[in-house]
Amino acid sequence: DTEVTQTPKHLVMGMTNKKSLKCEQHMGHRAMYWYKQKAKKPPELMFVYSYEKLSINESVPSRFSPECPNSSLLNLHLHALQPEDSALYLCASSQGGGRRGETQYFGPGTRLLVL
Amino acid sequence: GESVGLHLPTLSVQEGDNSIINCAYSNSASDYFIWYKQESGKGPQFIIDIRSNMDKRQGQRVTVLLNKTVKHLSLQIAATQPGDSAVYFCAEKGYGQNFVFGPGTRLSVLP
Repeated sequence: DTEVTQTPKHLVMGMTNKKSLKCEQHMGHRAMYWYKQKAKKPPELMFVYSYEKLSINESVPSRFSPECPNSSLLNLHLHALQPEDSALYLCASSQGGGRRGETQYFGPGTRLLVL
Repeated sequence: GESVGLHLPTLSVQEGDNSIINCAYSNSASDYFIWYKQESGKGPQFIIDIRSNMDKRQGQRVTVLLNKTVKHLSLQIAATQPGDSAVYFCAEKGYGQNFVFGPGTRLSVLP
């Protein structure tokens, strides 16, 4: 099973709202990722969690706040977003722990629209 | 045929023909490569991977070729089907580094 699930599938929010995106995997993977994907563009890395610790933050604005409550869950808290933040937000996971665990598996994404 | 311009590069093939999607990667230190398929409204789906100690790897109806000399990766799809229509991304990675995705190629299968 290589399934990563994400909720919600779609989200519309105003610029003053606070919302959260959720990601879950039950493959025992120890690395989880948030990517942002604009239309007709490749995914862009935002955050990496390795063994539940934030290891990479690719200069993402503070209005995006990641959280990893446990090894299976990854959240992305959203606050005071801008219309240009509208995109597909993808979660991925990998086994972690060296070369054998590099393959990343993606969830279906959350389509976010900021009004 | 293949077109490259302001929009996503598109490769159009007849159903039943073989498809070849190309990718030029940038980092000579990259030693792991993945091809992903992304259908409209979905997340990228793993297709096949290859490490730099190999130059060819085959899966079910797909083959990945790696030419490290010219930093080129290709995905061959045999007997292309309508369900193969999607955007295909290559991704490269060096040890201890993050994946870098190519710009993507849209494959359009003509009936």
